[in-house]
Amino acid sequence: EADIYQTPRYLVIGTGKKITLECSQTMGHDKMYWYQQDPGMELHLIHYSYGVNSTEKGDLSSESTVSRIRTEHFPLTLESARPSHTSQYLCASSEPDLYGYTFGSGTRLTVV
Amino acid sequence: RKEVEQDPGPFNVPEGATVAFNCTYSNSASQSFFWYRQDCRKEPKLLMSVYSSGNEDGRFTAQLNRASQYISLLIRDSKLSDSATYLCVVKGEQAGTALIFGKGTTLSVSS
Repeated sequence: EADIYQTPRYLVIGTGKKITLECSQTMGHDKMYWYQQDPGMELHLIHYSYGVNSTEKGDLSSESTVSRIRTEHFPLTLESARPSHTSQYLCASSEPDLYGYTFGSGTRLTVV
Repeated sequence: RKEVEQDPGPFNVPEGATVAFNCTYSNSASQSFFWYRQDCRKEPKLLMSVYSSGNEDGRFTAQLNRASQYISLLIRDSKLSDSATYLCVVKGEQAGTALIFGKGTTLSVSS
């Protein structure tokens, strides 16, 4: 039973479109993260948040933006999708840090 | 140099085999260590944390050597269901820093 939800599960969209990937968690965690993972490659942190109104860029440069208006909700937005954005996007939350993260099922994005 | 490096895979083993994965990390100030499991086209799931004294969870044993900056995972009596990619994961020294994932080692257990 998932406590962190991502929608959509799969998305195929044309170049130039604006998209928002949704992530919600019901665990009351303050810390939330977005990772990007290409097939066969490691996860790369693109954004994170330590609480409401707190957002930071991760290690991997990304053209996406995030917001954290509510504790449970951490959406990721691409203003203008490009084929280079094709990847899997994984949302995670944690509290406390020592116990690792809980990941959502991910969104597989394909930009054509 | 990558922050977290793992054995190249894939590891192809028969059921019942014992298999060991190794991982090294570059930041000596890292504080927390984990092994995650990721099935094909699925999200990573926490397998176990790694403690300084070493720890065991059923058929799985994790070890940490801070001096060598080395982490290992031992799987005994491999099952078909153990087939997956195993990710070595490290957390930085600063409070609240995000987890850093290795590329993973793929295990394939066959009957």
